Amino acid sequence: ETGVTQTPRHLVMGMTNKKSLKCEQHLGHNAMYWYKQSAKKPLELMFVYNFKEQTENNSVPSRFSPECPNSSHLFLHLHTLQPEDSALYLCASSQEGNSGGPKNIQYFGAGTRLSVL
Amino acid sequence: DAKTTQPPSMDCAEGRAANLPCNHSTISGNEYVYWYRQIHSQGPQYIIHGLKNNETNEMASLIITEDRKSSTLILPHATLRDTAVYYCIVRENSNSGYALNFGKGTSLLVTP
Repeated sequence: ETGVTQTPRHLVMGMTNKKSLKCEQHLGHNAMYWYKQSAKKPLELMFVYNFKEQTENNSVPSRFSPECPNSSHLFLHLHTLQPEDSALYLCASSQEGNSGGPKNIQYFGAGTRLSVL
Repeated sequence: DAKTTQPPSMDCAEGRAANLPCNHSTISGNEYVYWYRQIHSQGPQYIIHGLKNNETNEMASLIITEDRKSSTLILPHATLRDTAVYYCIVRENSNSGYALNFGKGTSLLVTP
């Protein structure tokens, strides 16, 4: 148990569906991340939120839409996905800023395994 | 962030020490070395990090060479549950969230 919970764990959707992935962290962190891991490829950063503000969008297609309503919750809204979007989607959180203690240590959820048919 | 080079795969017998090397010859003075691992179909897990000095925690030890151009992660008594992909990452210790460049890592297989 890492303190980062992702739901659902598995999702199968058609190309015309709309679905959302949810991530919740119970660690009191102020930064959250979405990563994508395709088969046989390294993890790729998708989005970063610092203090609820999106600070990085790594050239992700608009069919992926993130939402961060507060520092504990992060969503990834999906619509009109393609089969090549099938992957493991991972959420992470970290504590950033000048609060002292170790920085930039990211804690990951178990991921959502997404299949697009 | 500096680039890292790791062997693609390694084997280790259960109960023996697993020594995983990482080259980071272009590391700059303010960049830390982080190690994570990813067990199959799970999210990555933080192991340890360091700047100059050797570090040890309950999971592993990190040995950084004096010139900081390479490091070794040591799992002192490997178990079957240590089978995973191990990632060596170099980056600055900043005050804002930033991506981790995981690369391809080293796939460690611990055998009975």
